[in-house]
Amino acid sequence: QKEVEQDPGPLSVPEGAIVSLNCTYSNSAFQYFMWYRQYSRKGPELLMYTYSSGNKEDGRFTAQVDKSSKYISLFIRDSQPSDSATYLCAMSSNTNAGKSTFGDGTTLTVKP
Amino acid sequence: NAGVTQTPKFQVLKTGQSMTLQCAQDMNHEYMSWYRQDPGMGLRLIHYSVGAGITDQGEVPNGYNVSRSTTEDFPLRLLSAAPSQTSVYFCASRSTVGALGTEAFFGQGTRLTVV
Repeated sequence: QKEVEQDPGPLSVPEGAIVSLNCTYSNSAFQYFMWYRQYSRKGPELLMYTYSSGNKEDGRFTAQVDKSSKYISLFIRDSQPSDSATYLCAMSSNTNAGKSTFGDGTTLTVKP
Repeated sequence: NAGVTQTPKFQVLKTGQSMTLQCAQDMNHEYMSWYRQDPGMGLRLIHYSVGAGITDQGEVPNGYNVSRSTTEDFPLRLLSAAPSQTSVYFCASRSTVGALGTEAFFGQGTRLTVV
C-alpha cells in the first residue's frame, strides 16, 4: 500500500464550481502537507503548504489537514478555467523534511 | 532569476547508451533532488542531496548515479539506458531553513525516450 493515496480523478467541473481534492496517508510522522499545481508539460509549482493540523486559506484556495483521520483536502472556490491542471499532494516529516512523498495527482478541468 | 534550469528538454536514447541530465539552481539551496514522473504515478524520488559532497538514494535509484561537487549543480547520470527509464525527469531544489524547507522549486523537466 502506498504511503500517500490521492483521489485519482479526473475531475471536470463547470466554471464557478467548488472543487474538493483529497489525499489520505498512512505515515503518522508526516508534519508538512503541501499542494502543488502542475500545468501540462510544466514542472510542479507549490500552491500551498500547511504545518501539522488545521486550515489555511489563500484567496480562492483552502487547505485542510485532519491528522486524526490522516486526511488532507484542497478546496478551490469559484473555480476558473485557468485552474485546469494536475494537482499533486505531497507530505514530509520533521526528521527528514527534505524528502517529500507525492500522491499520484488529480487532473482537474474547469469548463467555461 | 533563472531558478532551476534543466538541460536538455528532450532526449532520445538507444538502449545501452549513457547520458547525463543537467540541473543547475541559482538560489543557493542546500537540498536538491531528482524525480521521475510516469503517467498516473506521480513523482518518485530517484536521488537527493542535502549539500555539496552529500548524496543519498531515494525510492527508485537503480540505473542512476548522481554527484554533487558544487551547491549549484546536481547532474543525474544514466549508466546504460533501458526502455523502462522512458519518463519525464524533474530536478527540484529547496532551502532547508525553517518553513522555507517545504517549498520546492522545480525545473521544467527533461522528456527522455529510450528506444
